[in-house]
Amino acid sequence: KAGVTQTPRYLIKTRGQQVTLSCSPISGHRSVSWYQQTPGQGLQFLFEYFSETQRNKGNFPGRFSGRQFSNSRSEMNVSTLELGDSALYLCASRRKPDEQFFGPGTRLTVL
Amino acid sequence: TQLLEQSPQFLSIQEGENLTVYCNSSSVFSSLQWYRQEPGEGPVLLVTVVTGGEVKKLKRLTFQFGDARKDSSLHITAAQPGDTGLYLCAHGSGGGADGLTFGKGTHLIIQP
Repeated sequence: KAGVTQTPRYLIKTRGQQVTLSCSPISGHRSVSWYQQTPGQGLQFLFEYFSETQRNKGNFPGRFSGRQFSNSRSEMNVSTLELGDSALYLCASRRKPDEQFFGPGTRLTVL
Repeated sequence: TQLLEQSPQFLSIQEGENLTVYCNSSSVFSSLQWYRQEPGEGPVLLVTVVTGGEVKKLKRLTFQFGDARKDSSLHITAAQPGDTGLYLCAHGSGGGADGLTFGKGTHLIIQP
């Protein structure tokens, strides 16, 4: 069974731009979560989607948003990029609570 | 937010040595998970511990959940270079809807 895939793997943007990241979960997994990983803050929960509905959101500004499609694929969007948004963005899918399967991440660099 | 503190933050040892890393909190958890993350990859789930005092073994890795379910440890016997990585502990809300809360991890380097 294929794992979680994320595209693109690397991205360079400039301040003020916006970015869209994509995630395809493991087949059969309807829940998709997004996390931001930085050296200073570690891994932090952004939001989770289940059956196209956002179930919960972490403590991030409204510039961070997401959506999920009927095939469970998910996208997250960051608008008006700031230097501090440079991070590894990880997507995870699951069927059971507390068992997340992570993708390889998208490395976003904001210049 | 129930914080998880991991120690040590960094650890570099020689191949063949034993080591223990820790995950501590002042809160009680229904379960804790351990993940390993290698450079350029996402975290991979190693184990979930649920019962206070529980010990789980995964080859040379031994995981223990504290009796009070507030802390956990990971012991590696005869460490190998392939054990190098970032070891993260995490807990969930139970229902999973709030996402996982991670500790900041232990960066482990095993030198040949």
